[in-house]
Amino acid sequence: QKEVEQDPGPLSVPEGAIVSLNCTYSNSAFQYFMWYRQYSRKGPELLMYTYSSGNKEDGRFTAQVDKSSKYISLFIRDSQPSDSATYLCAMSARGNYQLIWGAGTKLIIKP
Amino acid sequence: EAGVAQSPRYKIIEKRQSVAFWCNPISGHATLYWYQQILGQGPKLLIQFQNNGVVDDSQLPKDRFSAERLKGVDSTLKIQPAKLEDSAVYLCASSLEGYYQETQYFGPGTRLLVL
Repeated sequence: QKEVEQDPGPLSVPEGAIVSLNCTYSNSAFQYFMWYRQYSRKGPELLMYTYSSGNKEDGRFTAQVDKSSKYISLFIRDSQPSDSATYLCAMSARGNYQLIWGAGTKLIIKP
Repeated sequence: EAGVAQSPRYKIIEKRQSVAFWCNPISGHATLYWYQQILGQGPKLLIQFQNNGVVDDSQLPKDRFSAERLKGVDSTLKIQPAKLEDSAVYLCASSLEGYYQETQYFGPGTRLLVL
């Protein structure tokens, strides 16, 4: 079993829809949770970063962490065609610098 | 601020040949990472440098892969000899100091195809 599981998709939704992207993990020591966005033929770029549990909001994006369920989510409101990309979750434990990555979910927003 | 630069962007070689990738991190970033990203998978850390020194190379196939960081700035990753399963995107990233919660900034990657 992988430490971080992420549905590869693709997830196709119409423009303006609310998108929910998710990752599950097995290591209860993870405390730092990140979402990276990767456009085709580009490197990943950090989108959201959350420490421990709770929600964090940044514009149209909300990151949510549920440590009791070992489940993290990224919500995108009012989705735009420019949001079409692969979304990768990544996480690490306190004191351990290495990021553990999910496989990424490919998101397609249809105009 | 200039981003992480990588070259070449694409490379096609035959198995058993050698290949080298170059990375120039963001100026002032002490930590440099090389990742391998196989199609449909997340990035896999190959090696992490802190200035000149190696912090982690536990997942680097040392029988065929080598990497160095010159004067704590640029870095080169080499594969010799290449195998078919080395076909992947090789991503270079850098961060300011290498703490676990720091943002890593990625370059565009080098796409390698081994025939």
